Amino acid sequence: GENVEQHPSTLSVQEGDSAVIKCTYSDSASNYFPWYKQELGKRPQLIIDIRSNVGEKKDQRIAVTLNKTAKHFSLHITETQPEDSAVYFCAAFLSGGGADGLTFGKGTHLIIQP
Amino acid sequence: EPEVTQTPSHQVTQMGQEVILRCVPISNHLYFYWYRQILGQKVEFLVSFYNNEISEKSEIFDDQFSVERPDGSNFTLKIRSTKLEDSAMYFCASSLTGVPLTDTQYFGPGTRLTVL
Repeated sequence: GENVEQHPSTLSVQEGDSAVIKCTYSDSASNYFPWYKQELGKRPQLIIDIRSNVGEKKDQRIAVTLNKTAKHFSLHITETQPEDSAVYFCAAFLSGGGADGLTFGKGTHLIIQP
Repeated sequence: EPEVTQTPSHQVTQMGQEVILRCVPISNHLYFYWYRQILGQKVEFLVSFYNNEISEKSEIFDDQFSVERPDGSNFTLKIRSTKLEDSAMYFCASSLTGVPLTDTQYFGPGTRLTVL
């Protein structure tokens, strides 16, 4: 099966600075990589995702990069704001057809310091 | 925007009791999932469901767990005889298709299960 490692577990940045969260995956057949943001006591919300046929995707202040050769992908948040404070989870989907589940990383607690 | 809903938001039960967690997926979605998140840990896949049968299940999803789509709107997770270690947040999710190259899983707000 797939295994996803996520670093760091906690990240504290000054408001306005950039934040980068990194994930690695084990199975080269994985082809879909979503990022979820989870605020305390709330559901995971999809914020951005990337498919294996592209290397980078950007949506306003959020970008994701994928390096298939190295089997890692990263979340970049620029111009961080207090409302970005949350736990961020990366995930990977292993191809093979059917309605399979996502394998999640352990999460990164992002703290935006005012 | 349509959302996945779950009831109850919090369920407290005694060890050994049966619980049923309920989910209403997004109405035109065809694939349904249950995930579990133990406090402070990552989200873990339990089971996926399509066309009234289990598509995939993880090692966590043992014989004490079952899923059902009793009608056209609800999707349930039953835990037959709860254990202390079943205490967790249980998330339901749904997607239109099971192919992530064209689709995304949307999560419900979760049910916090506390086993005493």
